[in-house]
Amino acid sequence: NAGVTQTPKFQVLKTGQSMTLQCAQDMNHNSMYWYRQDPGMGLRLIYYSASEGTTDKGEVPNGYNVSRLNKREFSLRLESAAPSQTSVYFCASSRKDRASSGNTIYFGEGSWLTVV
Amino acid sequence: AQSVSQHNHHVILSEAASLELGCNYSYGGTVNLFWYVQYPGQHLQLLLKYFSGDPLVKGIKGFEAEFIKSKFSFNLRKPSVQWSDTAEYFCAVSGGATNKLIFGTGTLLAVQP
Repeated sequence: NAGVTQTPKFQVLKTGQSMTLQCAQDMNHNSMYWYRQDPGMGLRLIYYSASEGTTDKGEVPNGYNVSRLNKREFSLRLESAAPSQTSVYFCASSRKDRASSGNTIYFGEGSWLTVV
Repeated sequence: AQSVSQHNHHVILSEAASLELGCNYSYGGTVNLFWYVQYPGQHLQLLLKYFSGDPLVKGIKGFEAEFIKSKFSFNLRKPSVQWSDTAEYFCAVSGGATNKLIFGTGTLLAVQP
């Protein structure tokens, strides 16, 4: 079972370079998310997409853009990378549980990004 | 806007000790509550969740959590920890129409053999 797949797993960028983190899920989930994880700060939501064709800002959207290409894929783009964007990035997805009002969110394995 | 507070940033226990990690949230409406665990070098895994019903929720690996609505709390407990429980634990809350999941800052648990 693939679940949530993110690429690349590791990346080193120079300041000012651009790159796109790719994410795909094979669980037919409606909602997808991008988080960043930094020591002592937990996970912070960058952007999310409640359904195909919609995206919305999370807690820390500055410096990022997203694209919900289709139901499966949700990409995160850094247009001009900065050292402050050095972090571990997690993609996640969820499907509203039909038996309740809540979502269970499933995470990818993470992408380690270093900006020098 | 919803928020989550985890007051214990770093906890050190000996094996067989009991564990309780605090989690408080702020949100005015109906909430869904989660505990996730991240073992060293791995991604997040769901430990347990509360949507509705019995406020005492049992999860994997002997963990449980109790939702106390009047205290806005969802503390994680385990009666007897093992060395393999060494990990970082995150409380999270989602609610409202958007179902955004917001995390606490995490608690690092180190269990000494």
